[in-house]
Amino acid sequence: ETGVTQSPTHLIKTRGQQVTLRCSSQSGHNTVSWYQQALGQGPQFIFQYYREEENGRGNFPPRFSGLQFPNYSSELNVNALELDDSALYLCASSLPQRNTEAFFGQGTRLTVV
Amino acid sequence: GEDVEQSLFLSVREGDSSVINCTYTDSSSTYLYWYKQEPGAGLQLLTYIFSNMDMKQDQRLTVLLNKKDKHLSLRIADTQTGDSAIYFCAESIRNSGYALNFGKGTSLLVTP
Repeated sequence: ETGVTQSPTHLIKTRGQQVTLRCSSQSGHNTVSWYQQALGQGPQFIFQYYREEENGRGNFPPRFSGLQFPNYSSELNVNALELDDSALYLCASSLPQRNTEAFFGQGTRLTVV
Repeated sequence: GEDVEQSLFLSVREGDSSVINCTYTDSSSTYLYWYKQEPGAGLQLLTYIFSNMDMKQDQRLTVLLNKKDKHLSLRIADTQTGDSAIYFCAESIRNSGYALNFGKGTSLLVTP
């Protein structure tokens, strides 16, 4: 148990729809990072939030957006879903610049049909 | 980001040592990591090494770092069937809040 919880655990959406995934960070961790893990691949960095501001972004289009709330929980929003967005979405919480203590949630499995 | 390279598969017998290799890309990476992922699960941090170290040992795990060749390895001593999983090498990305750049993972199968 890492203390990082993600919801929902599984989700099926239709191409073109929008989805919101949620993450509650470990107590005291004010930095949240999101990753996309396609089947058979390593996780790919989407973006990171620190104190409610985006603090870094990977090579993902603007239809991937996020929020961080004052309690440090976070949301990942994906608009105009595409079939290739089907993946496991992982959230990790940490202290800033201390990814030695980054803890991952169990992930949300998104299937786009 | 650029690719962190790992071999895709490794099979060992129970009780033997396993060595998983990785080549990373960013010579300025501060930390290098090994994560374990079991089927249907998230990522578990196994160990990490600071870039100014050559070796780190943690119980059955030994990490070796060759900065000149940007080569990282993970040795698991006395491998058990419970060690069967996918192992990911990752480097920190300095210009993205030290987020992680992962390899594609090495699938380790431990046979009795």
